[in-house]
Amino acid sequence: AQSVTQLGSHVSVSEGALVLLRCNYSSSVPPYLFWYVQYPNQGLQLLLKYTSAATLVKGINGFEAEFKKSETSFHLTKPSAHMSDAAEYFCAVRQTGANSKLTFGKGITLSVRP
Amino acid sequence: ETGVTQTPRHLVMGMTNKKSLKCEQHLGHNAMYWYKQSAKKPLELMFVYSLEERVENNSVPSRFSPECPNSSHLFLHLHTLQPEDSALYLCASSQGREGYNEQFFGPGTRLTVL
Repeated sequence: AQSVTQLGSHVSVSEGALVLLRCNYSSSVPPYLFWYVQYPNQGLQLLLKYTSAATLVKGINGFEAEFKKSETSFHLTKPSAHMSDAAEYFCAVRQTGANSKLTFGKGITLSVRP
Repeated sequence: ETGVTQTPRHLVMGMTNKKSLKCEQHLGHNAMYWYKQSAKKPLELMFVYSLEERVENNSVPSRFSPECPNSSHLFLHLHTLQPEDSALYLCASSQGREGYNEQFFGPGTRLTVL
């Protein structure tokens, strides 16, 4: 079984401040991990993914995430928030192998204050 | 058209109506998915089609009936829905169903059941 925990439902930061969105996973086998972003009235867009290569993964729009096996975490960060980063962010886990299911967390809404 | 498209974007229906949601992917993928997104809940996988064959049905009520006539198109037929079925319905596609395969999402259909 696999699961994803995204603590809290809302994070608010000032423009230019560090963005940190937390994600912890549970998986019986080494997983693949994903971060998706959803802007208002749009579908989900992949920000980045971890597929067992480098543990520090760089994505689009200046985001990056680090896979820490010992902490079962895959937190998403961005050094400097921009107003356009306001959106909902979803962490997801999928086990290796064919036909595995993509399991999502509940999502976190990021607000950026001017 | 590029990516994954969904029509209609918004749908209001009564509990006795019959309607259909349409999804089309322009990416040459061979797997397609229906998800339900309700407020403050993780995305729920409803159906999976691989090579036009339904390979997964996650205990979805029979009032939801999927159809995949070819690898580019996916439908979700709706009849006698309940108010609790109101949600955003997302379609996604991927090339293969291995764990590392990224799923590409459409913008969704916002369904309201009166």
